[in-house]
Amino acid sequence: GAGVSQSPSNKVTEKGKDVELRCDPISGHTALYWYRQSLGQGLEFLIYFQGNSAPDKSGLPSDRFSAERTGGSVSTLTIQRTQQEDSAVYLCASSNGTGGLSPLHFGNGTRLTVT
Amino acid sequence: GQNIDQPTEMTATEGAIVQINCTYQTSGFNGLFWYQQHAGEAPTFLSYNVLDGLEEKGRFSSFLSRSKGYSYLLLKELQMKDSASYLCAVRPSGGSYIPTFGRGTSLIVHP
Repeated sequence: GAGVSQSPSNKVTEKGKDVELRCDPISGHTALYWYRQSLGQGLEFLIYFQGNSAPDKSGLPSDRFSAERTGGSVSTLTIQRTQQEDSAVYLCASSNGTGGLSPLHFGNGTRLTVT
Repeated sequence: GQNIDQPTEMTATEGAIVQINCTYQTSGFNGLFWYQQHAGEAPTFLSYNVLDGLEEKGRFSSFLSRSKGYSYLLLKELQMKDSASYLCAVRPSGGSYIPTFGRGTSLIVHP
């Protein structure tokens, strides 16, 4: 498609379960970002990919969080042993560069609820 | 690191003009973005400023003063559909150029 696609759009899981969130960026975009947005909070940076490598993963909140990107395209964010504080909207964005005017194009996000 | 500050909420009347301010402190600067986010939807790109001055795009304009660490988004001829959250984001120079977002300003437009 023309935009960033994320799946699932909604995910309800029990505390302690693992979840996997998927992001399909705009074709040709080399940079891919994961952010998290909690109610009333700003966008919190999680991890950044350039191609298949992740030069900055400084925002991952704990070792329960991991992400990968394959083929310079699709990315998956995995949360192991989910906790209630992981409940948030997880937003993926892509851009065709990192300098100058290279705006981030966001997907609609995955709303994760941990019960 | 970066610190970005914007008002939490603003209200305005349909047809009016509103200015949403954003102040920032950053160790390096490579541009400032404004995004619009309707409830339950993705943030969408509005504007980008890297040099001082005013950028106009239809009903929306964005201003930047790098020396003051200050930007504003100006919305003219407000419409009900402009009710949304407006996010200010700063891209640093160096490193991975990852934009840092403010908490957003929730704008409510009433008739």
